[in-house]
Amino acid sequence: EAQVTQNPRYLITVTGKKLTVTCSQNMNHEYMSWYRQDPGLGLRQIYYSMNVEVTDKGDVPEGYKVSRKEKRNFPLILESPSPNQTSLYFCASSFGPASTDTQYFGPGTRLTVL
Amino acid sequence: RKEVEQDPGPFNVPEGATVAFNCTYSNSASQSFFWYRQDCRKEPKLLMSVYSSGNEDGRFTAQLNRASQYISLLIRDSKLSDSATYLCVVNMGGNSGNTPLVFGKGTRLSVIA
Repeated sequence: EAQVTQNPRYLITVTGKKLTVTCSQNMNHEYMSWYRQDPGLGLRQIYYSMNVEVTDKGDVPEGYKVSRKEKRNFPLILESPSPNQTSLYFCASSFGPASTDTQYFGPGTRLTVL
Repeated sequence: RKEVEQDPGPFNVPEGATVAFNCTYSNSASQSFFWYRQDCRKEPKLLMSVYSSGNEDGRFTAQLNRASQYISLLIRDSKLSDSATYLCVVNMGGNSGNTPLVFGKGTRLSVIA
């Protein structure tokens, strides 16, 4: 089944404790993105990647890192999480550019930082 | 300033009703437009792309008005299963790999029996 998977789905952590949210897609998509969704703000792009070893900042990259060592995986790293990073996070992938092609979203990761 | 504006709703409509959502965008250079559907606590899923000539998919019709910079979504014969939040999504000019994609905050629809 074609899909985007994220892990963990739910995470409660404390300020400053490094964490990684994994994202994997099995559709051989070139493009992958990370978004966060907050009440009243809609989805905002954190980082995106156009291919292996090619990543760039989105609208709200502060406090996050990403890597794209393999085509299928695009982990999101929070080196020192803070409470304002409490949010619902979605990974997405697309065959072509996100700006023109259908994006397939993962099921989301609900993160709480205490 | 990047901006996509939607009426947040909620729109509460009876089964069988016709409902329309509008979305305005600020960048006249935008070239790609989409409607996504998001169920409560779930991921967004593409409902339909919006083409210049307008397009229809079953009970759903999407239209684009470039002159006034808005897109619309019309749902005919509403079903209970149409209850969801509908996200207007617009790219902010150009179609390259790094052209920003901006999501509206969504319009919530509740279809009532």
